[in-house]
Amino acid sequence: EVQLVESGGVVVQPGGSLRLSCAASGFTFDDYSMHWVRQAPGKGLEWVSLISWDGGTTYYTDSVKGRFTISRDNSKNSLYLQMNSLRTDDTALYYCAKDQSHRGNSYGDCWGQGTLVTVSS
Amino acid sequence: DIQMTQSPSSLSASVGDRVTITCRASQDITNYLAWFQQKPGKAPKSLIYAASSLQSGVPSKFSGSGSGTDFTLTISSLQPEDFATYYCQQYYSYPPYTFGQGTKLEIK
Repeated sequence: EVQLVESGGVVVQPGGSLRLSCAASGFTFDDYSMHWVRQAPGKGLEWVSLISWDGGTTYYTDSVKGRFTISRDNSKNSLYLQMNSLRTDDTALYYCAKDQSHRGNSYGDCWGQGTLVTVSS
Repeated sequence: DIQMTQSPSSLSASVGDRVTITCRASQDITNYLAWFQQKPGKAPKSLIYAASSLQSGVPSKFSGSGSGTDFTLTISSLQPEDFATYYCQQYYSYPPYTFGQGTKLEIK
């Protein structure tokens, strides 16, 4: 059974930094791209970032480009999101999601339960 | 960026009803469309991919159709557990992958 467990969400001041983690199990982690998707309180889903199965390709939504960095450690079955220069509009529940496509990029077919990031002074 | 527009934004229906939610893309995405269900306080759950393919384990009461720019999600014989928010997402052109704004399905 696929399991994704996010951690690292806390309350942080504007301008601060944070690293989110996602521990994966139940599938061959290094065969799948991984996504981060966020959801602001009471709002819809917003895709944030994707990293390819081998870590060689990364994509970001414009609002986080230059501030967030996605990475993975396939030896630890772990996904990360380094978040710098945080803004109040980054406040959201952050989900990691496994891509459906084997060594490709498509949509997230399995999602974790999310970790809450609150950016507030 | 491709914009995804869902309609309606909210919908009231009764147990046993059949409902249809529409998702429109701002440009042709062929069939690179997924549908998700999200219940309050829970993570999204994948229902449909490639516009009309049912995710493993999802009941056949859910069905998807469409191609190009216009897509629909149909839920037949609504049950209490089906009342949730539904999202479409395109994965044809990225970044960014884009979601619709969501459709909240409520009990009448």
